[in-house]
Amino acid sequence: GQNIDQPTEMTATEGAIVQINCTYQTSGFNGLFWYQQHAGEAPTFLSYNVLDGLEEKGRFSSFLSRSKGYSYLLLKELQMKDSASYLCAVRDNGNTGKLIFGQGTTLQVKP
Amino acid sequence: NAGVTQTPKFRILKIGQSMTLQCAQDMNHNYMYWYRQDPGMGLKLIYYSVGAGITDKGEVPNGYNVSRSTTEDFPLRLELAAPSQTSVYFCASSADAEAFFGQGTRLTVV
Repeated sequence: GQNIDQPTEMTATEGAIVQINCTYQTSGFNGLFWYQQHAGEAPTFLSYNVLDGLEEKGRFSSFLSRSKGYSYLLLKELQMKDSASYLCAVRDNGNTGKLIFGQGTTLQVKP
Repeated sequence: NAGVTQTPKFRILKIGQSMTLQCAQDMNHNYMYWYRQDPGMGLKLIYYSVGAGITDKGEVPNGYNVSRSTTEDFPLRLELAAPSQTSVYFCASSADAEAFFGQGTRLTVV
């Protein structure tokens, strides 16, 4: 089975840095994804980690430790438009392509 | 670029009615998925497919059926609608990396 855990809610201040953690326990692993979802909209892709380490994309970075079953998404220079839900997802290994999501973290950015 | 197209966008069903949610992608992706998202919650996997003719159950398959006769289309069938199936349904597709999502179908069962 697969279990993916994220904090339910977080609050941060505009201009600050916030780290959203994700821990997972899965029978297989073939990549970890982070998605952003604004209220009433579809999820959009942010980042992908399959090897240990840090992936940086502009203001967003994502880190993976496969041995610890742990990832985080780092958002720098927070803007009001970053208020959204952030979803962590794990892909199963092999050829199944099965993609399971955590419950999501709702981030509120305050002025 | 069409990407992943879902129809309809909104639907109200009466208890016991049936309907098919349509999903089509034009990116030649092998993997396709159906998720449901209840208010304030994450995405729950209903069914997925690794290619034409191959489907498998996800986390919450009960009350749903799917088929994958072509690479492009992955319809989701509700046979006997129940209030518990009120939700937003998302279809997604992927090659070997990130999944791309449709805009969702908001379904209400009354």
